[in-house]
Amino acid sequence: EDQVTQSPEALRLQEGESSSLNCSYTVSGLRGLFWYRQDPGKGPEFLFTLYSAGEEKEKERLKATLTKKESFLHITAPKPEDSATYLCAVVDSGNTPLVFGKGTRLSVIA
Amino acid sequence: EAQVTQNPRYLITVTGKKLTVTCSQNMNHEYMSWYRQDPGLGLRQIYYSMNVEVTDKGDVPEGYKVSRKEKRNFPLILESPSPNQTSLYFCASRLLGHTEAFFGQGTRLTVV
Repeated sequence: EDQVTQSPEALRLQEGESSSLNCSYTVSGLRGLFWYRQDPGKGPEFLFTLYSAGEEKEKERLKATLTKKESFLHITAPKPEDSATYLCAVVDSGNTPLVFGKGTRLSVIA
Repeated sequence: EAQVTQNPRYLITVTGKKLTVTCSQNMNHEYMSWYRQDPGLGLRQIYYSMNVEVTDKGDVPEGYKVSRKEKRNFPLILESPSPNQTSLYFCASRLLGHTEAFFGQGTRLTVV
């Protein structure tokens, strides 16, 4: 059974204090790993897709990386508007459903 | 604008009164799914559909029904809602294969 574990569950940062969120996974054959941002009471918003180990994607202050066992979402010099829950999801070979981790709740304090 | 639209956004109902939450997408996606999100449990898949007339159970299907008569629509039906179905529900769609999913705005359901 595919498993996705995100850590930490919650993270509190000062504005400008860079950090990383972790997503570790166990799948029979990873075909895609996705990062989403979710604001309270709203639907998840797509950020990145990573397909193979060594791949990196960047968007503003966010950078996602992928290894064979885990992915990191690096947040550089975060701002209060980066506060949200960040979700990781994986899909394995075949047209199987996305499997989500429970998320990391990020708070950035001014 | 490409989007997934759910209705209603908020719903309060009583135990046992049948209800339907609608979901529609305008991206011609084959794959549609329903999730529920509860504190501490994350997003859990209820049902999914890979095409018209093809549906399958997710992780938590008990007490729910779905149908996929048209490609764009994927309604979620609660025949006899119970308080443990109080939750935040999301519909999502994507292309078949290994692509990202697009989510609706959510439906907050309260069953009293």
